[in-house]
Amino acid sequence: GAVVSQHPSRVICKSGTSVKIECRSLDFQATTMFWYRQFPKKSLMLMATSNEGSKATYEQGVEKDKFLINHASLTLSTLTVTSAHPEDSSFYICSAHRDQNTEAFFGQGTRLTVV
Amino acid sequence: GQQLNQSPQSMFIQEGEDVSMNCTSSSIFNTWLWYKQDPGEGPVLLIALYKAGELTSNGRLTAQFGITRKDSFLNISASIPSDVGIYFCAGQLGQFYFGTGTSLTVIP
Repeated sequence: GAVVSQHPSRVICKSGTSVKIECRSLDFQATTMFWYRQFPKKSLMLMATSNEGSKATYEQGVEKDKFLINHASLTLSTLTVTSAHPEDSSFYICSAHRDQNTEAFFGQGTRLTVV
Repeated sequence: GQQLNQSPQSMFIQEGEDVSMNCTSSSIFNTWLWYKQDPGEGPVLLIALYKAGELTSNGRLTAQFGITRKDSFLNISASIPSDVGIYFCAGQLGQFYFGTGTSLTVIP
């Protein structure tokens, strides 16, 4: 299957700082990537759709100024958690598709802990 | 966003037993997918279904795309300890919508 690489896998940061998470599609070009947040023992909650070359589409209730998404190339999307707070601690996962109607491939996830 | 109804929420079974879980939705989907997630990892695709009525196997796993396009099931035969994890269904209609997950515990 296709490979999607997410980095870092774990990060601990201080409150008030910003953290950048990268999502790369390694063997295909992805015009669209998705960012999810997952709480313990819960399902994936879609945060935003990352579109190459244009602005991300955010789900209702997700602050776009807090969760900055940049999709600068067909193989890379980044999620930056700005001015992080302890309540931002969570597991963040990205996914990418070869094209609109094919299955999603997920990154390994990033465990963010804000202290 | 929309979430699919997935059941059961959790299962505790003996090694060697068969497992069955399903997802239902009020919406029609074009694609149904089944993923497995291990702790601290991203979901890994198990089976993808693209046509109503489609029945697909992947080793000990079998999944079906319901005729109404509003449901899907996943069966695991002869479970083994490494089947432990959380299983998610996903339906696609434009974006993906995920089920609430089924936590599977296999007792050796």
